[in-house]
Amino acid sequence: NAGVTQTPKFRVLKTGQSMTLLCAQDMNHEYMYWYRQDPGMGLRLIHYSVGEGTTAKGEVPDGYNVSRLKKQNFLLGLESAAPSQTSVYFCASREEGRKQFFGPGTRLTVL
Amino acid sequence: SQKIEQNSEALNIQEGKTATLTCNYTNYSPAYLQWYRQDPGRGPVFLLLIRENEKEKRKERLKVTFDTTLKQSLFHITASQPADSATYLCALETNGFQKLVFGTGTRLLVSP
Repeated sequence: NAGVTQTPKFRVLKTGQSMTLLCAQDMNHEYMYWYRQDPGMGLRLIHYSVGEGTTAKGEVPDGYNVSRLKKQNFLLGLESAAPSQTSVYFCASREEGRKQFFGPGTRLTVL
Repeated sequence: SQKIEQNSEALNIQEGKTATLTCNYTNYSPAYLQWYRQDPGRGPVFLLLIRENEKEKRKERLKVTFDTTLKQSLFHITASQPADSATYLCALETNGFQKLVFGTGTRLLVSP
């Protein structure tokens, strides 16, 4: 099992550009999450999904959109990137026992 | 306001000693509390989960306590090793909310 994978690992964008981050899990988990991690701020929840076709807002959803068209995939989109979105992005999936499994992260820089 | 507080200063200890990390929270009523380990450049890895009706949980050299009166969890690593050096995150889940709220983490440095 690959667990949770994220693509890309690194990306540099210019202000105003758009991109999509892909998260995939092969553990058949219903719940999936997108977090961002900034120095001194800890992990903050952007959006999450409790099952295929569902999405919900987390703590810091502004400027991001998500989709969960297939159970194994959770996409995070930035429509018009801003320097404030420079961060490390982590995807996670959750098993029934509440334990979360995290991906390796995507380091995004917006110039 | 709701807060989860972990020591922002790194904890330095000698190999073989017990490391104790603290997680305090205010204005939460967590049903579950979890601890994760994060190494530089990697995603967090789950360590332990403790429920609100449990006082203590152990796994090998790890022990977690949960005091809902003090609103505090303590995370202990006994016989610490340099390989235990990492950042440790606590996270709360309130009942029915299906999501975790994370503290900012405490960095542990274990010297040989």
